[in-house]
Amino acid sequence: DSGVTQTPKHLITATGQRVTLRCSPRSGDLSVYWYQQSLDQGLQFLIQYYNGEERAKGNILERFSAQQFPDLHSELNLSSLELGDSALYFCASSSGGAGDYGYTFGSGTRLTVV
Amino acid sequence: AQTVTQSQPEMSVQEAETVTLSCTYDTSESDYYLFWYKQPPSRQMILVIRQEAYKQQNATENRFSVNFQKAAKSFSLKISDSQLGDAAMYFCAYRSWSGGGADGLTFGKGTHLIIQP
Repeated sequence: DSGVTQTPKHLITATGQRVTLRCSPRSGDLSVYWYQQSLDQGLQFLIQYYNGEERAKGNILERFSAQQFPDLHSELNLSSLELGDSALYFCASSSGGAGDYGYTFGSGTRLTVV
Repeated sequence: AQTVTQSQPEMSVQEAETVTLSCTYDTSESDYYLFWYKQPPSRQMILVIRQEAYKQQNATENRFSVNFQKAAKSFSLKISDSQLGDAAMYFCAYRSWSGGGADGLTFGKGTHLIIQP
């Protein structure tokens, strides 16, 4: 157990639908990162939140959004889903402080769009 | 933007032998971090080893060591005494220093490591 909890582990949904993926960071970590792993694109950084604020954006589609709540858990919202959104979505956390470079990954949410 | 290239889609090694996985990267920055992550069939991403670019000494973690060549922008991973449990996808990753923590990792496409018993 890495300390980063992602739910659900698996999700199957239809095209056009909306889903929410949840991540609880490791205790004490303030930064949360979302990554997408697909066969086509490999591992891609989507977005980072630090203590409730968006801090960095990667290759995140406009149909996707995220937020981090006061208790530091984060949610990734995926809407108007397409077949190509099928992927493994990882959350990672870190302390986010100066000199911090250590990420801890969760076990991922496998999203299948049918 | 930074790019990370892993030129070996698949590598195979006999158990107990040594194998080296290659990684090159492209950046205009002088300070950054480099990582090797392991992804076994369970899909969990596990940090294997990390290197700060300002450190000249190559990082070592037990049977895992790196050969960091900053001028050549090369960051290879050496696994000694390979074990069956080392079989996995291995990803090289880059992280900028200048972002002050405000950035994500840039990953290579990965190398699938097979351990032959």
